[in-house]
Amino acid sequence: DIQMTQSPSSLSASVGDRVTITCRASQSIFRYLNWYQQKPGQAPKLLIYAASSLQSGVPSRFSGSGSGTEFTLTITSLQPEDFATYSCQQTYSTPITFGQGTRLDIK
Amino acid sequence: QLQLQESGPGLVKASETLSLTCTVSGGSISSSDYYWGWIRQPPGKGLEWIGNIFYSGSTNANPSLRSRVTISVDTSKNQFSLRLTSVTAADTAIYFCARRAGGFSGYDSEWGQGTQVTVSS
Repeated sequence: DIQMTQSPSSLSASVGDRVTITCRASQSIFRYLNWYQQKPGQAPKLLIYAASSLQSGVPSRFSGSGSGTEFTLTITSLQPEDFATYSCQQTYSTPITFGQGTRLDIK
Repeated sequence: QLQLQESGPGLVKASETLSLTCTVSGGSISSSDYYWGWIRQPPGKGLEWIGNIFYSGSTNANPSLRSRVTISVDTSKNQFSLRLTSVTAADTAIYFCARRAGGFSGYDSEWGQGTQVTVSS
């Protein structure tokens, strides 16, 4: 199985900050990497697919980059609605696996 | 607008079978553009992929669950279903259904709201 490791596991930031979350794969997954945002009591919401493609309707302050084994999700100018848990997902091989999640809290 | 809605018992006894259905509205489950799948989230933990199905009935499931999982599709009802046999407390989770775009190696672009399933002893 491909292990997905996110860092940090939790992060405190302020409105207006720029934050970066990293996701590392245990082997190359090329660009088969997606990012999701999840708020308490809600389903995950797709933000970024194929490492860097912005899902329709997602604000442009969200961006993704990387390939191979290292990927990043960057949020520029944090907004109050961005405080949530973020998870990466690899779909390169089965079983499809997710990172453990990064919880983004208000400082 | 596409909507997915999970339904099924919220409480299942240990050793019995968990059965859930996902009803798709606002789009056809018979589209060759999408796969349909199940993902779960144990309390306080991360997401776990259970498996996917294509409208033709072709499936792919997590090897850790494969011996206990059956995913099926009913195109006449625009539904797909999950059966998980011999459940234990470790199967307690929120179960989500989702639509995958971009092929099997794509991305889960639409999700149901999720349904809580608790396994009782």
